[in-house]
Amino acid sequence: QQQVKQSPQSLIVQKGGISIINCAYENTAFDYFPWYQQFPGKGPALLIAIRPDVSEKKEGRFTISFNKSAKQFSLHIMDSQPGDSATYFCAASKGSNYQLIWGAGTKLIIKP
Amino acid sequence: NAGVTQTPKFQVLKTGQSMTLQCAQDMNHEYMSWYRQDPGMGLRLIHYSVGAGITDQGEVPNGYNVSRSTTEDFPLRLLSAAPSQTSVYFCASSYSVASGNEQFFGPGTRLTVL
Repeated sequence: QQQVKQSPQSLIVQKGGISIINCAYENTAFDYFPWYQQFPGKGPALLIAIRPDVSEKKEGRFTISFNKSAKQFSLHIMDSQPGDSATYFCAASKGSNYQLIWGAGTKLIIKP
Repeated sequence: NAGVTQTPKFQVLKTGQSMTLQCAQDMNHEYMSWYRQDPGMGLRLIHYSVGAGITDQGEVPNGYNVSRSTTEDFPLRLLSAAPSQTSVYFCASSYSVASGNEQFFGPGTRLTVL
C-alpha cells in the first residue's frame, strides 16, 4: 500500500513533442505528490508538485494531471526540448508523515 | 547559501573497509536524510533525522550508522563496506517535517566497493 509505481522506465521523444510520465499509488491517505528532475551527476531537484484538491497544475511547459478516483497522476512536458533530457521521479507523502515514497524513475531522452 | 554539500564526490573502498560520507547544510533545516540510488530502483531511504540528537532508520539501514550532533551536519558511516553497498549516495534536507516541504539534495557521492 506504500508503493508508488512509475512508468515507463525510459522514454524517447522528438523535440517539440509531448512527454508523458505516469504514476499510480494505492494509499488514499497520500496528500502531496511532487515530481523531481535529476540531471546526470546531480541530485534530484523539485520540479512541480500537486495536492489532491486540484486536478491539474501547470508551470510553464510542465503540467501535473491528477486523477483522485483512479489514484493516478502524471507529468506532461509540452514542446519537449533537448534540455529536458533527465531522469524524472514521482513521489508521494501523507499528512504528518513527511517521508516521501518514491517511484523508480523515468529516463527521458529528447531527440533533436 | 551553499545549500546541501557532500564530500567526497567519488570514493573507492575495498571490502571490509570503513568510511564516513559527510553531509552539511547551511539552511537551518530541521529534517535531514540519506538515500541510496541504484539503477531501476529509484531512491531508497537509509536513515533520517528530525533534529539534532534524533535519528531513525529508513527502508535500508543495515550496514550504515548515522549521528546528528548539530543541526548542520549529518554524516553517514559505513562500518564494514560490502560490494552490495556500491551505489550513489544522496543527502537531502527539508525545512520541516511537515508533508509538502521541498527536499533539497546534495550533489551525491559515488561509492564503489571492490
